[in-house]
Amino acid sequence: GESVGLHLPTLSVQEGDNSIINCAYSNSASDYFIWYKQESGKGPQFIIDIRSNMDKRQGQRVTVLLNKTVKHLSLQIAATQPGDSAVYFCAENRSGGYQKVTFGTGTKLQVIP
Amino acid sequence: SAVISQKPSRDICQRGTSLTIQCQVDSQVTMMFWYRQQPGQSLTLIATANQGSEATYESGFVIDKFPISRPNLTFSTLTVSNMSPEDSSIYLCSDSPAGGETQYFGPGTRLLVL
Repeated sequence: GESVGLHLPTLSVQEGDNSIINCAYSNSASDYFIWYKQESGKGPQFIIDIRSNMDKRQGQRVTVLLNKTVKHLSLQIAATQPGDSAVYFCAENRSGGYQKVTFGTGTKLQVIP
Repeated sequence: SAVISQKPSRDICQRGTSLTIQCQVDSQVTMMFWYRQQPGQSLTLIATANQGSEATYESGFVIDKFPISRPNLTFSTLTVSNMSPEDSSIYLCSDSPAGGETQYFGPGTRLLVL
């Protein structure tokens, strides 16, 4: 069936370096993508989203890149900090409202001080 | 986004019993959802909580096991019925504001069934 998955289950990064978390999706109908951050003991927190009519979107220290040709999504975190340690999920949806959001498997980001 | 709270935050229950989890949103929202997150896993949608009508369940989830109520636009409950150790998970409530594409999550309820 349709799925959203991640290439790397765990990513270790030195504090101050940039992090790149990757995600592959398979549903060609998906045109809206979201990245969530889940810290230990908490619910997922919205980070940034992107629509399929865009290739790149920037937030505060985060950038999401979308490559529709290869159905690939990435989250870049600049100057990674210890507070960035968490599990990151990509999620996909279809625009038009009230559609089912499908979550990827998650990547654990460990920041090494 | 609306602030979502859940009660209880965690519980330890005996098999065969039932637990009702409450989700409260601080403003009216159109859509509310319930998810399950098994240990070390991603989120799986259980059902969409519809205001004033029966919830819409995903494949693999049934009303008898996970009855859901949504009496108004700010509140919903999920009951985990006749629990077994396999039901040990985090149960998360989410909402979707107008537009319906992005979902925001509550802190979750951590359930351990012995």
